[in-house]
Amino acid sequence: QQQVKQSPQSLIVQKGGISIINCAYENTAFDYFPWYQQFPGKGPALLIAIRPDVSEKKEGRFTISFNKSAKQFSLHIMDSQPGDSATYFCAASNSGGSNYKLTFGKGTLLTVNP
Amino acid sequence: DVKVTQSSRYLVKRTGEKVFLECVQDMDHENMFWYRQDPGLGLRLIYFSYDVKMKEKGDIPEGYSVSREKKERFSLILESASTNQTSMYLCASRKSGSPYNEQFFGPGTRLTVL
Repeated sequence: QQQVKQSPQSLIVQKGGISIINCAYENTAFDYFPWYQQFPGKGPALLIAIRPDVSEKKEGRFTISFNKSAKQFSLHIMDSQPGDSATYFCAASNSGGSNYKLTFGKGTLLTVNP
Repeated sequence: DVKVTQSSRYLVKRTGEKVFLECVQDMDHENMFWYRQDPGLGLRLIYFSYDVKMKEKGDIPEGYSVSREKKERFSLILESASTNQTSMYLCASRKSGSPYNEQFFGPGTRLTVL
């Protein structure tokens, strides 16, 4: 049972464009939604995260949009740069349960062409 | 600067061998995790440990065991390696009670079982 579904599997964007990655979850007990960024040869690293009490969180060129009723959240990368080329993972957790466990999506390979 | 290190970046073993993957963190974190990463499957949790000598099965524990004798060290053991265990293995750690549930990842060990 895949609890966090991520799409697309891969994405190619031109420099300066907007990259959008979507995730949907099933477990309504999830209350923390992070995005991780992974460069080749490196482990994933936390990029940005949101809790369901807000609908949007922005950090620089990266924005998470959250739709609680639809059980969906998305990552928007504005003015995409070649240096943003990486694999992106969405994730979710339930702080009321085993709050140390994250459920990850399958990942999106983003390529930003110069 | 926080750091999670893994004993090997690349490892080649033969079918049936016993394999040890070591992970060390220097952040005094209580929680530690082992994931495997496979193309198209994302990050899947093998085992985690919420404190010294404590461990719990993740989503895919079959064929693996773990050991946590000291707080900073978490070992993944393949009792009898098989070719379907060829994968990238990622270790992560987390501070218990962290409000943001951030996990810090090591660089990964790419294991090939021949």
